[in-house]
Amino acid sequence: AQKVTQAQTEISVVEKEDVTLDCVYETRDTTYYLFWYKQPPSGELVFLIRRNSFDEQNEISGRYSWNFQKSTSSFNFTITASQVVDSAVYFCALSGTYNQGGKLIFGQGTELSVKP
Amino acid sequence: KAGVTQTPRYLIKTRGQQVTLSCSPISGHRSVSWYQQTPGQGLQFLFEYFSETQRNKGNFPGRFSGRQFSNSRSEMNVSTLELGDSALYLCASSLAGTGSSYEQYFGPGTRLTVT
Repeated sequence: AQKVTQAQTEISVVEKEDVTLDCVYETRDTTYYLFWYKQPPSGELVFLIRRNSFDEQNEISGRYSWNFQKSTSSFNFTITASQVVDSAVYFCALSGTYNQGGKLIFGQGTELSVKP
Repeated sequence: KAGVTQTPRYLIKTRGQQVTLSCSPISGHRSVSWYQQTPGQGLQFLFEYFSETQRNKGNFPGRFSGRQFSNSRSEMNVSTLELGDSALYLCASSLAGTGSSYEQYFGPGTRLTVT
């Protein structure tokens, strides 16, 4: 069975602090995909990144970076120099391939609060 | 390109009634997935439609059903509503075909309240 665990339910930081959101996944598939989504207070899920299981390179996009480690089944997300606009709920998700691509398994989410 | 649209945005229904929610995917996207979001259960996958066929199904009772039309627009139906069906229903579309998995783009959701 596939499962995604985000152990941090809530995180509160002060603006300009760095923050890391943890994501641990379980799957028996050898090929799979990992995602991060952001859900601001408006409610709409916003896609942030997709990573396939064969690509363990870390990725950086502006203040965002992702660390994928197959050895520990983790796909962590770091926000550098956090800003108030980063306040949202962040979801990590997993999907299989072939005909399972349209089914995302989400973690419970981490609510990030960035205070000025 | 226009994003995923969902109608209606808000809905209030009474127990026992049925409801139909609509989703229009991004142009060119052939896969439409539906999710239920509640405070207690989080985001749960309902089903996915691809080329008018249900390709994947989550663990929801048969009261939850859906369909997809030839233009990729999708509808989901919930019959015999229960209080526990109160939730945000999210629709997502993607380019997903076979052999890969693409990012899903979500609509704003339909907030269903059952009284």
